[in-house]
Amino acid sequence: AQTVTQSQPEMSVQEAETVTLSCTYDTSESDYYLFWYKQPPSRQMILVIRQEAYKQQNATENRFSVNFQKAAKSFSLKISDSQLGDAAMYFCAYRSGEYGNKLVFGAGTILRVKS
Amino acid sequence: DGGITQSPKYLFRKEGQNVTLSCEQNLNHDAMYWYRQDPGQGLRLIYYSQIVNDFQKGDIAEGYSVSREKKESFPLTVTSAQKNPTAFYLCASSIVAWQPQHFGDGTRLSIL
Repeated sequence: AQTVTQSQPEMSVQEAETVTLSCTYDTSESDYYLFWYKQPPSRQMILVIRQEAYKQQNATENRFSVNFQKAAKSFSLKISDSQLGDAAMYFCAYRSGEYGNKLVFGAGTILRVKS
Repeated sequence: DGGITQSPKYLFRKEGQNVTLSCEQNLNHDAMYWYRQDPGQGLRLIYYSQIVNDFQKGDIAEGYSVSREKKESFPLTVTSAQKNPTAFYLCASSIVAWQPQHFGDGTRLSIL
């Protein structure tokens, strides 16, 4: 079974600075997808970014980018120019293959942004 | 606007009672999911449905039941067999099973 580990229960960042959230996963599959979801205090889950395992290029969405290291099974999220609205719980998630239908989530990292 | 609506936002259950959480989507998505979130933990999959009249158990299905009679609706019943039902429940949907999932706002269930 696949597992996802987020080793940082909490992180803090100063407004306008950069922060990196860590995620590692364990799988024997070669075809899979990885996601980062944001859960603000409203509790709604918002998709931040996704990465296809077959793509070597790291995904980027505006201020959010990932560092995907397939051999190391590492999938970190970098947030640049942090804003107060970035404060939330961030979850890393894994999904099997092209037709996989189940998301496996990590325990989450609380990100606090200081003004 | 299209989206996923979960109701109620807060729900209280007495011991021995069954309660049903509602999830409705107007996104025309085929696949729907129910997750449970406990403090300090990530989401865990309870049930999922890829098409109408079909659903599969997730990782923690014991004590829960679902139905999928309509494409837009996927209600979750928390039965009295679920011994620790206090949690935050999230419903999600996706165009098809392997596309990114979109989430509702959740329902918080508490035991009186």
